[in-house]
Amino acid sequence: EVQLVESGGGLVQPGESLRLSCAATGFTFSGYWMTWVRQAPGKGLEWVANIRQDGSEKSYVASVRGRFTISRDNAKNSLYLQMNSLRAEDTAVYFCTREEYFALDYWGQGALVTVSS
Amino acid sequence: QSALTQPASVSGSPGQSITISCTGTSSDIGTYNYVSWYQQNPGKAPKLMIYEVSNRPSGVSNRFSGSKSGNTAFLIISGLQAEDEADYYCRSHTGTAPPWVFGGGTKLTVL
Repeated sequence: EVQLVESGGGLVQPGESLRLSCAATGFTFSGYWMTWVRQAPGKGLEWVANIRQDGSEKSYVASVRGRFTISRDNAKNSLYLQMNSLRAEDTAVYFCTREEYFALDYWGQGALVTVSS
Repeated sequence: QSALTQPASVSGSPGQSITISCTGTSSDIGTYNYVSWYQQNPGKAPKLMIYEVSNRPSGVSNRFSGSKSGNTAFLIISGLQAEDEADYYCRSHTGTAPPWVFGGGTKLTVL
């Protein structure tokens, strides 16, 4: 059974950093693109970043480029999102997702990140 | 890259059919057949309902179907049931940066 489990969310102050992790089980992690999607409270889904199977290609939404870094460790079956210089508008639930057939076929339960002073 | 345009809300009675539109541009939906649809219930993670415009993942009811015309994609739900009440989001490849974009979401109410 495919499972994606996020961790590392929490409450931070503006300007601080946080690292999200996503543990993947039940499939060959190294064979898939992976994506982070976020959802601000009461708002819609926003595509944040994705990473190629071997980590050689990464893309970001403009609002996080230069502040967030997506990475993966295929030996540990884990996906990461390093978030620096956090802003109030980064407050959201962050979902770890797997990409298959150009769609997001499996989602984690989400990790809540709250940026507030 | 702007979000794809979806109606904020749609509604229908049990047994009816409804259609949710997702309008993009000639640079995204108009060019790529990489449109997917997601169902999200309150407090839950989204669930993939349609991929590559019109394909249904295993386990998704055949009451859900998808299509595309020009720069607009459609999610059609037939034989509406109370359990279909949820938020629905479309997503498309853009061919530019960022490579993917979601629609703003549509709240489906089953009357």
